[in-house]
Amino acid sequence: TQLLEQSPQFLSIQEGENLTVYCNSSSVFSSLQWYRQEPGEGPVLLVTVVTGGEVKKLKRLTFQFGDARKDSSLHITAAQPGDTGLYLCAGDKNNAGNMLTFGGGTRLMVKP
Amino acid sequence: ETGVTQSPTHLIKTRGQQVTLRCSSQSGHNTVSWYQQALGQGPQFIFQYYREEENGRGNFPPRFSGLQFPNYSSELNVNALELDDSALYLCASSSDRDRGDYGYTFGSGTRLTVV
Repeated sequence: TQLLEQSPQFLSIQEGENLTVYCNSSSVFSSLQWYRQEPGEGPVLLVTVVTGGEVKKLKRLTFQFGDARKDSSLHITAAQPGDTGLYLCAGDKNNAGNMLTFGGGTRLMVKP
Repeated sequence: ETGVTQSPTHLIKTRGQQVTLRCSSQSGHNTVSWYQQALGQGPQFIFQYYREEENGRGNFPPRFSGLQFPNYSSELNVNALELDDSALYLCASSSDRDRGDYGYTFGSGTRLTVV
């Protein structure tokens, strides 16, 4: 059983559309990270959110940490083919940084 | 600065054999973590090494073991390989001073296939 549930698992959209990916848990996390992974590569960190209710923006990507620090969302505005990849959320439960719990990932395909 | 490098990139082993995977951490990073990523799933934490000692372990059997060297590079050893060990093995390094803010730097992984 995944401690972090991501939805949807797969998403195929047209260039220019908006989308939201969700990361939910019944556990509280001291921080939560979002990564993007491309085939044959390791995950690349996009953002870390720490404070409940925190919102961070990275160009067309908006990340939000839930008030109770149990869930997070990633919103992409005007998706582009270059956004295609596997998006992973990962939670750190005790802020010791010694064990990340990853969600199952959302595989995004943006068609031109 | 150099990133995290892993070797080999691909490996095929027979069930029952032993394998050693290697990781060179990013310059300035003293903490190394290993993750197993099965096809179509998110990474699963195996263990972490900090200053040459194990500093946390996930739900993996003792046949998964590791080492960290004085230069902070690391090895992952797996004995008595099973078919289910087939996966992408990821190494991630971090600094204990900025781990919370900057997360981990991952290598590209070693793709292990057990036949």
